[in-house]
Amino acid sequence: QVRLVQSGAEVRKPGSSVKVSCKASGGAFTNYAINWVRQAPGQGLEWMGGTIPVFTARNYAQKFQGRVTITTDESTTTVYMELSSLTSEDTAVYYCASTKFSGYRGGLDRWGQGTLVTVSS
Amino acid sequence: DIQMTQSPSSLSASLGDRVTITCQASQDINNYLNWYQHKPGKAPKLLIYDASNLETGVPSRFSGSGSGTDFTFTISSLQPEDIATYFCQQYDSLPPMYTFGQGTTVEIK
Repeated sequence: QVRLVQSGAEVRKPGSSVKVSCKASGGAFTNYAINWVRQAPGQGLEWMGGTIPVFTARNYAQKFQGRVTITTDESTTTVYMELSSLTSEDTAVYYCASTKFSGYRGGLDRWGQGTLVTVSS
Repeated sequence: DIQMTQSPSSLSASLGDRVTITCQASQDINNYLNWYQHKPGKAPKLLIYDASNLETGVPSRFSGSGSGTDFTFTISSLQPEDIATYFCQQYDSLPPMYTFGQGTTVEIK
């Protein structure tokens, strides 16, 4: 059973960038999508983007286009999400999550534990 | 982009009550609609996928229905452990993207 394990909490200053990792342990990458979802304090869930690790394509939510980059290291079965030009509104818990079926279908049935990113001067 | 309108934003019900949450899509999404339970400090949990399929291990008091633009999520008999926020989420294929509803917080009356 593949588990998703994320990197630890981060504190950043406004205008800087943060890179969060998501390691798939217990199995190799497949053609299931790995997605990034965040939840800011008091807000709902927000999809940021995703990738199918065995392919090269990435898909990003329009809101984050130009500011988010999702990359993959197949040798370590790790997916990274980098968010730049941080503001206080990016303070949130960031989750990685994989799909139930191949591609982006069937919902997100496996989740990482979440990574708190705090943006503060 | 497809918009999802989820209602109500919160509800209060008694233990054993039937609870219903709705989600409306701004355009036809077939059955590409999933429901999640989210408790504070935990990752969201998939309950229903593709509108009406119960995820493995999820109690049968949870159910989903609908197709096209209108979807319903039901808890047939509210239990104390069901206190959480519930989100619907739609999947669009061209290009692949997800949109979440605004969430419904369920409390005990």
